[in-house]
Amino acid sequence: DQQVKQNSPSLSVQEGRISILNCDYTNSMFDYFLWYKKYPAEGPTFLISISSIKDKNEDGRFTVFLNKSAKHLSLHIVPSQPGDSAVYFCAASPGAGSYQLTFGKGTKLSVIP
Amino acid sequence: DGGITQSPKYLFRKEGQNVTLSCEQNLNHDAMYWYRQDPGQGLRLIYYSQIVNDFQKGDIAEGYSVSREKKESFPLTVTSAQKNPTAFYLCASRPRRSPYEQYFGPGTRLTVT
Repeated sequence: DQQVKQNSPSLSVQEGRISILNCDYTNSMFDYFLWYKKYPAEGPTFLISISSIKDKNEDGRFTVFLNKSAKHLSLHIVPSQPGDSAVYFCAASPGAGSYQLTFGKGTKLSVIP
Repeated sequence: DGGITQSPKYLFRKEGQNVTLSCEQNLNHDAMYWYRQDPGQGLRLIYYSQIVNDFQKGDIAEGYSVSREKKESFPLTVTSAQKNPTAFYLCASRPRRSPYEQYFGPGTRLTVT
């Protein structure tokens, strides 16, 4: 049973436009959420995170939105750049005592120049 | 400079052979993790260790073994009992000060034929 779902395997966006990557979760115990970016044959790198007590967190071009009632989060990248082309993984953690991460299957973002 | 190293980058083995993947970190992180990534799949947790000389099974531990004799090192052995060992293996560590964020190594691509 997949607890973290990224239903779009791929997304193509024009350079300069907004990229919106979505993630849904089923486990109501999750209270911290992260986005990781991964290039082929490399390890993922941390991008941005959000605690369940917030509904928005922003870092430069990257903003994560959390809708707890819908169990949904999204990552917005504005403006999108060709270097943003990568696989983006959503991850969730139940928090204190565990800190384990459950990952989605990823969304491959292609930013077209 | 600090980081996580995994060696080798590519590893080839014959079916029926055990193989050990190396993971070393000089970040002074207490917790370390092993994940497996298959094409089109998210990262799945194999084993994790919160402290030296202690480790726990993750979601897909069958056919794998680990040891944690030193804080810096968390080797993973893929045994002949693992039915589908060909995959991309990722090691990660987690700092105490930022309990949710995991830092990943560059990964090892294991091919078993």
